[in-house]
Amino acid sequence: EVQLVESGGGLVQPGRSMKLSCAASGFTFSNYGMAWVRQAPTKGLEWVATISYDGSSTYYRDSVKGRFTISRDNAKSTLYLQMNSLRSEDTATYYCTRERGILRIIDYWGQGVMVTVSS
Amino acid sequence: DIQMTQSPASLSASLGETVTIECRASEDIYNGLAWYQQKPGKSPQLLIYNANSLHTGVPSRFSGSGSGTQYSLKINSLQSEDVASYFCQQYYNYTFGAGTKLELK
Repeated sequence: EVQLVESGGGLVQPGRSMKLSCAASGFTFSNYGMAWVRQAPTKGLEWVATISYDGSSTYYRDSVKGRFTISRDNAKSTLYLQMNSLRSEDTATYYCTRERGILRIIDYWGQGVMVTVSS
Repeated sequence: DIQMTQSPASLSASLGETVTIECRASEDIYNGLAWYQQKPGKSPQLLIYNANSLHTGVPSRFSGSGSGTQYSLKINSLQSEDVASYFCQQYYNYTFGAGTKLELK
């Protein structure tokens, strides 16, 4: 069974940093691209960043470029999201997701972790 | 960027009814569309990919159709466990629709 378990969320002040982790199990982690998707309270879904199966390629939405870094450790089957210079508009539940195939279809989601950016 | 317009924003239907949700893309997305179900307090779950392919384990009362810029999700014989929000997503630049909240009448 595919499992994605996020951790590392919480309350952080504007301008500070936070690092999210996602522990993957139930599949061969190193074979899949991975992504972070977020959802602000009572809002829709917003893709944040993607990393290829081997970590050689990364992609970001414009609003987080230069502030967020997606990375992975295939030996530990773990995905990360380093978030710097956090803003109030980054407040959201962050989901770790698995991408399938060349079209990068998101086929599994973690339970999500809440990040609140507030003073 | 490709924009996704989803309708309706909310929907109320009775048990056993057939429900249709629509998504319109701002340009041709060549069937590169997925549908997700999100139950209250839960994470989204994949229902349909490539516009009309059913994901593993998804009940056959769910179906997807469409082409070009127009796509739809149909739920036949609505069940109580189908109460949820539904989102479409095109996977060229990962834009999601705004969602449809489905409730029981």
